[in-house]
Amino acid sequence: GIQVEQSPPDLILQEGANSTLRCNFSDSVNNLQWFHQNPWGQLINLFYIPSGTKQNGRLSATTVATERYSLLYISSSQTTDSGVYFCAVPRAGANNLFFGTGTRLTVIP
Amino acid sequence: EAGVAQSPRYKIIEKRQSVAFWCNPISGHATLYWYQQILGQGPKLLIQFQNNGVVDDSQLPKDRFSAERLKGVDSTLKIQPAKLEDSAVYLCASSLYGSGRPPYNEQFFGPGTRLTVL
Repeated sequence: GIQVEQSPPDLILQEGANSTLRCNFSDSVNNLQWFHQNPWGQLINLFYIPSGTKQNGRLSATTVATERYSLLYISSSQTTDSGVYFCAVPRAGANNLFFGTGTRLTVIP
Repeated sequence: EAGVAQSPRYKIIEKRQSVAFWCNPISGHATLYWYQQILGQGPKLLIQFQNNGVVDDSQLPKDRFSAERLKGVDSTLKIQPAKLEDSAVYLCASSLYGSGRPPYNEQFFGPGTRLTVL
């Protein structure tokens, strides 16, 4: 089955710093989603990005489908950015998502 | 637009008891998913519905878990009898469709139900 690896597994940042999170996947996909799981457990949609680049405020994402990776950029990080960031791709032949292992981000003031 | 609703938010039971979770998807979304998230891991699919039919239940432990979506709208997930290893967050998600041209398959998640089995 499909494999999804995220790096780094843990990241600690000073408030105001920038960061890049990476998601590698093993098969070609027609969908990729980035989520932020906040400390209360809610999964918040960040990007639906099967290919190309999108930006939303301080966050942006790029997916290079031909090379099977996606990057999530966080600029000028804030304490509210803390939590776990997941990328997820659909299983072959289905639309249900297979999640990566996540990156736990801690932003300290 | 209202998001995915789930209840209860928290549940504590003893092993061998039964429990049920409820989910109401985003209005108009044909596809509904139940995921299980164990502490420290990413969510894993339990079952996927398209309207009131099951699309994928290959990872559902059918000896103790069951789910239904009788009218193609809200859904119930049941565990009977519960085991200690069922302690997890149960997440419901929905998408406009289960396939087709993006973004029809973008998934949106509810707040989850945190289950503790003692």
